[in-house]
Amino acid sequence: KNEVEQSPQNLTAQEGEFITINCSYSVGISALHWLQQHPGGGIVSLFMLSSGKKKHGRLIATINIQEKHSSLHITASHPRDSAVYICAVSFARQLTFGSGTQLTVLP
Amino acid sequence: DAGVIQSPRHEVTEMGQEVTLRCKPISGHDYLFWYRQTMMRGLELLIYFNNNVPIDDSGMPEDRFSAKMPNASFSTLKIQPSEPRDSAVYFCASSLGTTDTQYFGPGTRLTVL
Repeated sequence: KNEVEQSPQNLTAQEGEFITINCSYSVGISALHWLQQHPGGGIVSLFMLSSGKKKHGRLIATINIQEKHSSLHITASHPRDSAVYICAVSFARQLTFGSGTQLTVLP
Repeated sequence: DAGVIQSPRHEVTEMGQEVTLRCKPISGHDYLFWYRQTMMRGLELLIYFNNNVPIDDSGMPEDRFSAKMPNASFSTLKIQPSEPRDSAVYFCASSLGTTDTQYFGPGTRLTVL
């Protein structure tokens, strides 16, 4: 079974700061997902990646398959980025979730 | 497309009652997932379907839980009998494949008294 660890669990930043959230997993994967859960509870899929790097607006996701590690970066953070960010990995038809990172961006 | 639709959005029931949650996936998506989220355990995959067939139900907590997908546009998750520990937010999601982007519904907040 894949173990998924996220860090940090909680993160508070000032508006404009560069933010990094990390995700490590223990077994090989077929894909890694980054999800965003808004304070109201809705979940949005941000990225799905199996190698390299993806960018969407101010969000960048990278994955290092050899090191079994992925990072989610937010550039020029904004209070509306405040949410829980969840990493999930797919492997052998199983989907395993990290416990999430609570991000608060202060104005 | 309207996205993934779930109903009801909120459900309050008493212990022992039957609860049925409903989900309409995005048209054309072959995969449908049911998740449960609690403060204690976070987000958990309960079961997923491919082309209306259950593929992996290893996450279903016990026999009180059952899920069906009678056609490509509708799925149900049933709890009978419900217990207070079943209180959680239940999400439905759909995708083109297991490794493709999943689109989540708004969730059903279930409270069992």
